[in-house]
This record gives sequence, C-alpha cells and structure tokens, in this order.
Amino acid sequence: QVQLVQSGAEVKKPGASVKVSCKASGYTFTSYDINWVRQATGQGLEWMGWMNPNSGNTGYAQKFQGRVTMTRNTSISTAYMELSSLRSEDTAVYYCARGRVTMVQDVWGKGTTVTVSS
Amino acid sequence: DIQMTQSPSSLSASVGDRVTITCRASQGISNSLAWYQQKPGKAPKLLLYAASRLESGVPSRFSGSGSGTDYTLTISSLQPEDFATYYCQQYYSTVLTFGGGTKVEIK
Repeated sequence: QVQLVQSGAEVKKPGASVKVSCKASGYTFTSYDINWVRQATGQGLEWMGWMNPNSGNTGYAQKFQGRVTMTRNTSISTAYMELSSLRSEDTAVYYCARGRVTMVQDVWGKGTTVTVSS
Repeated sequence: DIQMTQSPSSLSASVGDRVTITCRASQGISNSLAWYQQKPGKAPKLLLYAASRLESGVPSRFSGSGSGTDYTLTISSLQPEDFATYYCQQYYSTVLTFGGGTKVEIK
C-alpha cells in the first residue's frame, strides 16, 4: 500500500540543525511532490514547503526561507527536510505528505517529533 | 499569503447531529480548497478536495460546498468516529495555507 515512513524523534539544542527523512513506498516516488507540514503541540497545521522529487525543484514558505532545505534521494525513494538554526519555537511534529498535481496532500507520514531544548 | 479563517474554532454536538463548519479565504480561491480531519496523535486525513469532491473511501455523510471566498464542510449525521479537528486548506496559491481548525467535541 502507499505509505510514507518517517524517521524517529529527535532532540536538538538551540542553534543546531535537524534532518528528517520520509521514505515512500507503494507508488512511483518521482510522480508526486512531497510537502512538509508541521504542528506545534496544541496548535494548528503549518505548511513549510514542497519538493518535486523528479526535478528537485522546491518551494518554501517565506517564514522558513533561508532555514529550510528539502532534498531527495531517488535511488531509495526518500525525501529529506533539514531545518537549521533551531529555536524552541521549532519544537513540533513534522509531517511529510504526498502532493498531487494540484498540491492536495493525499497521503501523510505519521510524523516526526522534534524537540528543541537546551 | 492567502489567509484562511475557519469558524467556529470549536463546537459541541451529539451523535446524529448535522454539523457545518465554514472557511473563508482572504481572496477568491476558485474552489481550490481541501478539508482534512485530524484525530489526536494522528496525521491529518484528506476528506474532500476541489471544495466538494469526496476523497476515495470517505463516507458520504461528509460533503463540501462553496465558491469564491466562502466554503463549508457539512457532516450530515455525526458519528462517534467523527469527533476530531477539521482543517481547511487552500491550494489556489503556490503558498499553501491552512485554516486555524475546528474542534468537534461530544456534547
């Protein structure tokens, strides 16, 4: 079945970087975009950006420009999201989600908890 | 960026009730609207897209309508498994934005 499997929870210190992975299976990885969405505890959903696994093209929300990098390794059908200069406000669950041509997210990973604490 | 305003932020309802959630965009989005359901500790689940198209496998008690800037999600007869938080999302712009969410609780 179609699924996205994310890497495990991370604990980072302020100023560090985190790299979350998202492994796709059950479909052709390069045929759909990968979006990243985060959610702080008790808060709503916040879209971070998208990546086209075929071309490597990306688009980031302005809030994360300069701090986020989305990449992929097509040989292992895996997308990555790296967030740098972490601060406590980045503590959240990070989700990857498959995006259709319209950018609707139809398949989601289970989420990766990132905790930023000194 | 396009701002999405959902209302109400929460509501209490009983099993069998008809529930309506609204979502207003800060500019016209030409039906480029999706609705997601999220249960505690779980990832969001796509319910509808293109404002009114039901995602495969989603029960027909869920429906969507609207145009321009104003959209609604309706649950015709609330079931126990429907107690969750619902989010709208616009994808008219290449910068996607979500509404703040509507938590549907048991009365």
